[in-house]
Amino acid sequence: GNSVTQMEGPVTLSEEAFLTINCTYTATGYPSLFWYVQYPGEGLQLLLKATKADDKGSNKGFEATYRKETTSFHLEKGSVQVSDSAVYFCALRSGTGNQFYFGTGTSLTVIP
Amino acid sequence: SAVISQKPSRDICQRGTSLTIQCQVDSQVTMMFWYRQQPGQSLTLIATANQGSEATYESGFVIDKFPISRPNLTFSTLTVSNMSPEDSSIYLCSAAGAQSGNTIYFGEGSWLTVV
Repeated sequence: GNSVTQMEGPVTLSEEAFLTINCTYTATGYPSLFWYVQYPGEGLQLLLKATKADDKGSNKGFEATYRKETTSFHLEKGSVQVSDSAVYFCALRSGTGNQFYFGTGTSLTVIP
Repeated sequence: SAVISQKPSRDICQRGTSLTIQCQVDSQVTMMFWYRQQPGQSLTLIATANQGSEATYESGFVIDKFPISRPNLTFSTLTVSNMSPEDSSIYLCSAAGAQSGNTIYFGEGSWLTVV
């Protein structure tokens, strides 16, 4: 079946620290992979995506690479800011259907 | 990308009442979904809203409690019926389709508190 396993939170970092949030998946077919961000009091926004193996998605300084061999899509940012404080969700879209699957979310707090 | 508008954005509801949430997409989309996000939790898919036919519900969700309509390719409603405090949650409308590059986009959510 399809599922997403996401790094447990919460994560607290100092400003300018390096961020990694781990995400691994199981899927049938060839899924597309996504990271969504939810800022306090808001809905989910697409952060980045990758649709095939070895693709790298990037946006706002965040990056994630679709690794088929390790079934992973880890989110990274070289230098976090206070404004990056949010909950981050890893997700996949099944390659064989229209279903989307979400991880449990990782809460990130960046302190000055 | 698709722009999705939901209303109401927030509401406080009395126990036993029902509330209908409206979702409008700015373009025709193939798929529309309704999710629930309970406080501090991830997203749970309630149902897929099918245009012109009955919604497809996930395990644990039933039509009598969460009736859904989708009269066309840009609009859907979700009703939360006979509400109890356990229904206090964020309800998220989402949409996806070829026009959105098969990416799922979300509305801002409807934050319901049942008292």
